[in-house]
Amino acid sequence: GAGVSQSPRYKVAKRGQDVALRCDPISGHVSLFWYQQALGQGPEFLTYFQNEAQLDKSGLPSDRFFAERPEGSVSTLKIQRTQQEDSAVYLCASSLVEADEQYFGPGTRLTVT
Amino acid sequence: AQSVAQPEDQVNVAEGNPLTVKCTYSVSGNPYLFWYVQYPNRGLQFLLKYITGDNLVKGSYGFEAEFNKSQTSFHLKKPSALVSDSALYFCALVMDSNYQLIWGAGTKLIIKP
Repeated sequence: GAGVSQSPRYKVAKRGQDVALRCDPISGHVSLFWYQQALGQGPEFLTYFQNEAQLDKSGLPSDRFFAERPEGSVSTLKIQRTQQEDSAVYLCASSLVEADEQYFGPGTRLTVT
Repeated sequence: AQSVAQPEDQVNVAEGNPLTVKCTYSVSGNPYLFWYVQYPNRGLQFLLKYITGDNLVKGSYGFEAEFNKSQTSFHLKKPSALVSDSALYFCALVMDSNYQLIWGAGTKLIIKP
């Protein structure tokens, strides 16, 4: 079956623009995660959904970051008024249940100029 | 606090030799342990996991890991390294009934022909 997909794969935004990053998890996976990853480092947790409920958003760096998963499947991570420090790879992952292996998408590389 | 340590930033191995990538952890309780691999410009791929049972866990691409409770370790191993195994490897854990993965810093594995 299909894995986790993310779009776009690459995004260049000018400082101050809003961006939206999409994640299509594996069908039937209850849990969905967003991470931010800097080059050569481990993923940093951003937020967690169980179905459509956002149970943890403690990792979101600022109130410019917003995530949703309205129907419990596709999720969108939105960043408003992008700043240069937002440049990173944004990873989405899904798992069947919460304490289970997570399957990652290829990531979206965001560059803010 | 829960933590995962990967004491080696980089491991160099000659092709055909056995490889070991080290991981130790610190938790209160019984963790679920995972290994992930990240190839250049790719997302993270799940390799294997330990939940309970046999201490030796076999995973993808010929990798295995040994859980050692007394030493709180979960080292990744492969009997004969391939050049294509060169990548960044991450160890991670999650506690039962939780969802947030605790990540190690990653180990860069370089296999030389």
